Amino acid sequence: GQQVMQIPQYQHVQEGEDFTTYCNSSTTLSNIQWYKQRPGGHPVFLIQLVKSGEVKKQKRLTFQFGEAKKNSSLHITATQTTDVGTYFCAGNFGNEKLTFGTGTRLTIIP
Amino acid sequence: EAQVTQNPRYLITVTGKKLTVTCSQNMNHEYMSWYRQDPGLGLRQIYYSMNVEVTDKGDVPEGYKVSRKEKRNFPLILESPSPNQTSLYFCASSLARTLYEQYFGPGTRLTVT
Repeated sequence: GQQVMQIPQYQHVQEGEDFTTYCNSSTTLSNIQWYKQRPGGHPVFLIQLVKSGEVKKQKRLTFQFGEAKKNSSLHITATQTTDVGTYFCAGNFGNEKLTFGTGTRLTIIP
Repeated sequence: EAQVTQNPRYLITVTGKKLTVTCSQNMNHEYMSWYRQDPGLGLRQIYYSMNVEVTDKGDVPEGYKVSRKEKRNFPLILESPSPNQTSLYFCASSLARTLYEQYFGPGTRLTVT
């Protein structure tokens, strides 16, 4: 079936270090979205990527969509304690369903 | 305030006792969906609806029913809950289809004993 694989499952970093999470699909995606879920909270939309090779930035967060539209990454520069949470990618395969990755839980060591 | 609401937020029930989790949005969104979240499995879509009276199965629809009689409401029905339906459930809505950001409700934690 159509799946979106996300790695790593967990990441522990010292405050100030960088963090990256990756999503991969075996088939081409129409678009990909990224969400953040704080502990005890609900997923909150961060960004959407649609074009091949697209790169978008939000302050310390950089989002990339691969040239083949089969992979994506989220990179956080100089993590802060406010970055704690689980980051999900969600891919669309050209139908009306959104397929979420399994998420990467980020914990920050102060 | 634009929001998605779910009720109840927490529910403990017994096997076989029918239950309904309500979901309502005040943003006039066409697309609504239900997800369940389980450790290590991420968010898995149960059902979605593209508009009133239009619903379709997601990836894990077994044991669930939905209806969309009004644009704002999208209840999730468990006719005969089983322990493997113990999970955290989220309702979400978006303007239209999956090219738009999903707005999630606060979640409903369901325990079936």
